[in-house]
Amino acid sequence: DAGVIQSPRHEVTEMGQEVTLRCKPISGHDYLFWYRQTMMRGLELLIYFNNNVPIDDSGMPEDRFSAKMPNASFSTLKIQPSEPRDSAVYFCASSLRIQGIYGYTFGSGTRLTVV
Amino acid sequence: KQEVTQIPAALSVPEGENLVLNCSFTDSAIYNLQWFRQDPGKGLTSLLLIQSSQREQTSGRLNASLDKSSGRSTLYIAASQPGDSATYLCAALYAGGTSYGKLTFGQGTILTVHP
Repeated sequence: DAGVIQSPRHEVTEMGQEVTLRCKPISGHDYLFWYRQTMMRGLELLIYFNNNVPIDDSGMPEDRFSAKMPNASFSTLKIQPSEPRDSAVYFCASSLRIQGIYGYTFGSGTRLTVV
Repeated sequence: KQEVTQIPAALSVPEGENLVLNCSFTDSAIYNLQWFRQDPGKGLTSLLLIQSSQREQTSGRLNASLDKSSGRSTLYIAASQPGDSATYLCAALYAGGTSYGKLTFGQGTILTVHP
């Protein structure tokens, strides 16, 4: 398996533009997570899905952020409109619960810069 | 509120030294405790996972312990090497309600092992 695949690896955009981050989880994993990492706040959970259904989106900072998981092999995180304070590394992770053990695998992240 | 704290924030040691990284969590109702490694500009790599019913896990030169009653975990690295230099993150998986299945991360310890 190629692991969790995120695209793009780097994104530079102007303030006010729409940004879409993409994630392909590991096949067969039933949980998918979106995290954001900054120097100031560390790793923060934005939203997570179980079997393609959003379970907890309390970490989504504002209505400008939205996430979808149309099927088990694809998820998107959209920011519209983007702002400079959204600049961060966004990680996607997937997990499978086997016999009560969650094995987490993280993607390599998307580094977003909003200018 | 479920919080994870790591001490120290940064650590610099000479090669060959044994060292301990500390992690504390506020809620003892954890499902498991995980340690990750993050290299600069990279994603997270899982090192060790300790189930709530376990006291420790070992992998090579790494040993992680868990004490739920005191809300603490430690990561012990034996005979440190320059290649161990990275950020080490502790994460608690909380059980119950909408917390089920999601990791809460500490801020990390930046480790530098100099030759």
